[in-house]
Amino acid sequence: ETGVTQTPRHLVMGMTNKKSLKCEQHLGHNAMYWYKQSAKKPLELMFVYNFKEQTENNSVPSRFSPECPNSSHLFLHLHTLQPEDSALYLCASSQGDGNYGYTFGSGTRLTVV
Amino acid sequence: GDSVTQMEGPVTLSEEAFLTINCTYTATGYPSLFWYVQYPGEGLQLLLKATKADDKGSNKGFEATYRKETTSFHLEKGSVQVSDSAVYFCALSDLGYGQNFVFGPGTRLSVLP
Repeated sequence: ETGVTQTPRHLVMGMTNKKSLKCEQHLGHNAMYWYKQSAKKPLELMFVYNFKEQTENNSVPSRFSPECPNSSHLFLHLHTLQPEDSALYLCASSQGDGNYGYTFGSGTRLTVV
Repeated sequence: GDSVTQMEGPVTLSEEAFLTINCTYTATGYPSLFWYVQYPGEGLQLLLKATKADDKGSNKGFEATYRKETTSFHLEKGSVQVSDSAVYFCALSDLGYGQNFVFGPGTRLSVLP
């Protein structure tokens, strides 16, 4: 248990489906992040939330929609995805600007069929 | 911008061999440096960190020293075990959120019995 919990661990969805990924942390951190990890590619930062406010959106397609209702919860809403969106989606949190490191969840393995 | 370079993998070693994974960085400020480890099917876990020049981070037999003069943070372990097989990521945090936390591409380590 890392302190950051992601659900579900695995998700298979069709290209016309709508689904959501959930991330929860009770570490008292004030910043949360979504990363995408694809095979043989570097980690890609998708979204950053600081005190519930989105501070970065790294040119992510609109079929990915984040939501941060409070400092402890982060969602990634998915709709009309493409097969190339299949990847491991990692949530992380940090206290402050991450100078002491990020804490990661175990990830959601997403397969788009 | 800031960047992290790691030696290309995969690295394959026999059990009890000495491990070195090279990491060098470029940064505009005075970053904190990290090593993360990702075991199969899991998220990233913080392995060790160093926040200023000449600091040595250590954990689970792994060590890395922050070398400002060579802008390096090489990971070492004196005697690897099969259970150390994983992907290792070098990273830096150079003030601020999101984009200022930069990961290297990762180095896959396989340890054979």
